[in-house]
Amino acid sequence: DAGVTQSPTHLIKTRGQQVTLRCSPISGHKSVSWYQQVLGQGPQFIFQYYEKEERGRGNFPDRFSARQFPNYSSELNVNALLLGDSALYLCASSVGPGQGLGANEKLFFGSGTQLSVL
Amino acid sequence: QKEVEQNSGPLSVPEGAIASLNCTYSDRGSQSFFWYRQYSGKSPELIMFIYSNGDKEDGRFTAQLNKASQYVSLLIRDSQPSDSATYLCAVKLLNAGNMLTFGGGTRLMVKP
Repeated sequence: DAGVTQSPTHLIKTRGQQVTLRCSPISGHKSVSWYQQVLGQGPQFIFQYYEKEERGRGNFPDRFSARQFPNYSSELNVNALLLGDSALYLCASSVGPGQGLGANEKLFFGSGTQLSVL
Repeated sequence: QKEVEQNSGPLSVPEGAIASLNCTYSDRGSQSFFWYRQYSGKSPELIMFIYSNGDKEDGRFTAQLNKASQYVSLLIRDSQPSDSATYLCAVKLLNAGNMLTFGGGTRLMVKP
């Protein structure tokens, strides 16, 4: 079975541009989350979607937005790019919404999209 | 104070030794605890998760949780050079969805 797939793998943009990152979860997984990982740091939570509804939002500006489609895939959009948005953007999926302590709440990460803003 | 703290390392151990990785967290409401391994340039890979105080073993890996001391650790027995990676500790509040709070990671180097 395929894991979490993300596209593109690498992206170079200039300041002020807009970018869309895509993610397909593991088959059977209904929840998708987005994380930003700056070099040398741990991932930081951006958004979670479950059954097409936003279930959580991290401390990121409104320039960041996301959505989930009926097939559970997701897109992350970032507008008005800043140099500080350069990072590895990780998508993660889980079976359930992440409530409780069950094994179905385990989070599996994709290989990420490396975004460079020049 | 950071919410999840890890020593950035590098932690260097000889092949075959036990590697001990530590993590402290500040929010007493944290209920779920995860260890991820991340090779350079790759995505995080889940190794262990633990919810209850005590030890949880899976192969060469043992996770230890002490909620009273707000401390979680990962032991790697018989360390191999292929274990060389950054190990990320993550915590989650109950009913927090998939909002994990990660530490900065500890870089482990296993020398042959």
